[in-house]
Amino acid sequence: KAGVTQTPRYLIKTRGQQVTLSCSPISGHRSVSWYQQTPGQGLQFLFEYFSETQRNKGNFPGRFSGRQFSNSRSEMNVSTLELGDSALYLCASSLGDYNEQFFGPGTRLTVL
Amino acid sequence: DQQVKQNSPSLSVQEGRISILNCDYTNSMFDYFLWYKKYPAEGPTFLISISSIKDKNEDGRFTVFLNKSAKHLSLHIVPSQPGDSAVYFCAASATSGTSYGKLTFGQGTILTVHP
Repeated sequence: KAGVTQTPRYLIKTRGQQVTLSCSPISGHRSVSWYQQTPGQGLQFLFEYFSETQRNKGNFPGRFSGRQFSNSRSEMNVSTLELGDSALYLCASSLGDYNEQFFGPGTRLTVL
Repeated sequence: DQQVKQNSPSLSVQEGRISILNCDYTNSMFDYFLWYKKYPAEGPTFLISISSIKDKNEDGRFTVFLNKSAKHLSLHIVPSQPGDSAVYFCAASATSGTSYGKLTFGQGTILTVHP
């Protein structure tokens, strides 16, 4: 069974631009969660989607948004990029509520 | 406010010996706990989990112990192998309410297993 895939693996953007990251969950998994990992803050929860609905959101500004498609694939978008948005963005999928989450390899975003 | 804490930034162990990684939590709503292992430039890999209705769960060389009264859990790796060298994260979730899909992570412990 294929694991969670994320594209692209690496991105370099400049301040003020926007970026879209993509995540394909494990086949059959309907819940997709997104996390941001930085050296200072560690792994922080961004949001979770299930059946195309955002059910939970972390403490991030509105510049961070996401969506989920009918095939459970998910995208997250960051608008008006800031230097502090440089991070590893991780996507995780699970079968449903409160099961273990399986992570993708992440997208390394660098904002210059 | 760090609700999940791993107070040891690093741990060094000899191959074949036991590795014990510790984790403390403060939120009494947490009732499901997980351990993940992470290599550089990769996503976290799920290792083992435990529900608050249990105090111990084993899977091969990995055992997780949960002490609810102390709000403390630990991961034991026996015997430790050089390939276990990685960053280990403790994570917690609350399975009631609306905490869908949210894991709260500790800051991680770097485990180094020496041959």
